[in-house]
Amino acid sequence: GQQVMQIPQYQHVQEGEDFTTYCNSSTTLSNIQWYKQRPGGHPVFLIQLVKSGEVKKQKRLTFQFGEAKKNSSLHITATQTTDVGTYFCGETSYDKVIFGPGTSLSVIP
Amino acid sequence: ETGVTQTPRHLVMGMTNKKSLKCEQHLGHNAMYWYKQSAKKPLELMFVYSLEERVENNSVPSRFSPECPNSSHLFLHLHTLQPEDSALYLCASSLRLDLSYNEQFFGPGTRLTVL
Repeated sequence: GQQVMQIPQYQHVQEGEDFTTYCNSSTTLSNIQWYKQRPGGHPVFLIQLVKSGEVKKQKRLTFQFGEAKKNSSLHITATQTTDVGTYFCGETSYDKVIFGPGTSLSVIP
Repeated sequence: ETGVTQTPRHLVMGMTNKKSLKCEQHLGHNAMYWYKQSAKKPLELMFVYSLEERVENNSVPSRFSPECPNSSHLFLHLHTLQPEDSALYLCASSLRLDLSYNEQFFGPGTRLTVL
């Protein structure tokens, strides 16, 4: 069945360093959604990518959709302690989202 | 955020108990979802409802029984669960069933422990 992979599984960074998580699939992805889940919290929608090669920015967060629509990335510039959490990508397929396993980010102050 | 609420927030039950999880959305959405989140596993979709009709059932054991009496409420009835069913159960809603252009709003979850 469909599988969405994410790497790395965990990332520890010093506050102020950059962070990138990658979302990959062996098949062409229709749309990609990104969510963030703080420790003890619930997933919160960040963004959706639809077009091949699309790049979207939200303050220090940059989201990219690969040209072949088989991968996506989330890059955070100059991490802050408020960025701590698990970042999930998910492929949307009409009535469902197939989520990746997530990348857990910890930020050392 | 109070758009999607879930009760109870924590639940401990024995394997022979029967309990129910409740989800309510105050967003006027038409689709609702149950997910299971276990440690070290991706979010697993369990059930999808659109306008009170079940549209997806991802091979979930019959000991989990969903109910959607109206578009604002969703229940998950639990009976004779196993310890491996211990997890965070998340409810979500979206404006429309088509997630190609709709985001999901998640509730805070119910942390379930089965003894």
